[in-house]
Amino acid sequence: KAGVTQTPRYLIKTRGQQVTLSCSPISGHRSVSWYQQTPGQGLQFLFEYFSETQRNKGNFPGRFSGRQFSNSRSEMNVSTLELGDSALYLCASSLALTSGGAETQYFGPGTRLLVL
Amino acid sequence: AQSVTQPDIHITVSEGASLELRCNYSYGATPYLFWYVQSPGQGLQLLLKYFSGDTLVQGIKGFEAEFKRSQSSFNLRKPSVHWSDAAEYFCAVGAQNTDKLIFGTGTRLQVFP
Repeated sequence: KAGVTQTPRYLIKTRGQQVTLSCSPISGHRSVSWYQQTPGQGLQFLFEYFSETQRNKGNFPGRFSGRQFSNSRSEMNVSTLELGDSALYLCASSLALTSGGAETQYFGPGTRLLVL
Repeated sequence: AQSVTQPDIHITVSEGASLELRCNYSYGATPYLFWYVQSPGQGLQLLLKYFSGDTLVQGIKGFEAEFKRSQSSFNLRKPSVHWSDAAEYFCAVGAQNTDKLIFGTGTRLQVFP
C-alpha cells in the first residue's frame, strides 16, 4: 500500500505570493492533518480534516487554510507569503475508524517551502 | 493545556551503547503517547505508541518505551544503538476526539563508531 504522498516536494516562492500544497493520504484513511516544521518553532499543528470537515485548527493566522475532498485528499493554501512561512510542511493521515480520534498517524515526506 | 518536554536537545552515544531519551508530558487525562523518528530531509516515522494497557510498549527497530503516570514520563530506550539510529527523535502527545499531536522539541541523536 502506498504511503502518504505530498506534492510538490520542493517549492520556492516570493513574499506576497500564495501557494497550494497537496496531500494524498494512504488508501482508506479518512483523516488528514497538517503540520509546520521550522528550526525555531519545531513541529506545530496547523489543522485536521475528517470527512471533508475541519475538525481542529492550530494557532495560525487566517492566511493558512485547508480543505479536504471527498476522496480524502487534502490541500493547504498559504496566501500572502511571508519570509517566516519558510518551513517543511508535513501531512499525516490516519484511518479514523471512529470519530474518537487519537489514531496512529502516518506522515508524508513533506513539502519544503522557501519564501524569498 | 497539553505539552511535551524533551530535556535533551542533543545526545551522543557510541555504537553498541544503550540509549534512553527522555520525554515528559503534561495532560489532564490519560494521554495518547507517541515516539517518532525523523532522518534528515525525511518525514516522521512512528516508532511506537501508548494508548492504554501494558505500560511497557515495544516498537520497531528494537526500541521500547515505558509509560510512568506518576512521573508523567514516556522515555524511549534501546539496549544497543546502531549507527543507523542517528536521527532526530520526537515525543508527542495526543488526545481523544482529535488527531492533533503536540510534539516535543526533539532530541538529536548522534552515534559514534
